[in-house]
Amino acid sequence: EIVMTQSPDTLSVSPGERATLSCRASQSVMTDLAWYQQKPGQAPRLLIYGASTRATGIPARFSGGGSGTEFTLTISSLQSEDFAVYYCQEYYNRQTFGQGTKLEIK
Amino acid sequence: EVQLVESGGGLEQPGRSLRLSCTGSGFILGDYAVNWVRQAPGKGLEWLGFIRSNRDGGAIEHAASVGGRFFISRDDSKSIAYLQLNSLKAEDTAIYYCSRGYYYTSGYGLDSWGQGTLVTVSS
Repeated sequence: EIVMTQSPDTLSVSPGERATLSCRASQSVMTDLAWYQQKPGQAPRLLIYGASTRATGIPARFSGGGSGTEFTLTISSLQSEDFAVYYCQEYYNRQTFGQGTKLEIK
Repeated sequence: EVQLVESGGGLEQPGRSLRLSCTGSGFILGDYAVNWVRQAPGKGLEWLGFIRSNRDGGAIEHAASVGGRFFISRDDSKSIAYLQLNSLKAEDTAIYYCSRGYYYTSGYGLDSWGQGTLVTVSS
């Protein structure tokens, strides 16, 4: 089973600044990686698939990168609605999620 | 509008069984994979398994973590997917989500989610 590890667990960033979240796979998943955003009391929302392609309706300030075992999600200029928990998920094997990164207001 | 609605959650005793339903509307559920994901209170997301569309072979995969206790099925004539939970344990207490698996030309993602149904396992 592939293990997905996200870092950091919590990231404190001020509105308007850039945030970079990381996700590492225990073995290569090529670019079979997605990112999700979850706000309190809500279901997750798909942000990125194929490691770097934004899903429908996702603002351009969200960008994904990486391949193999190292991935990043970057939010270029944080808006108030971006503070949430973010999960990466591989779908190369069994669709394992990372443990999540909480993005909080600094 | 694409919509998924879970139902069937509630309070159940350890060792008992429960069947959750996921009803799709606004699209043809049978044309898509259906995934089940759960989230224990205050914890992260855990993928439980999925069932492919019949067009893609209808294969079912379950996460190793559910140890043969959970089973996914679908009835496309009713636009419903199911998650059968057997031999329930306290640690199965969670919100259970169903989601649609969408195959893009350059990837895959769970593009639509239900609101979740809460399962509480307690005596």
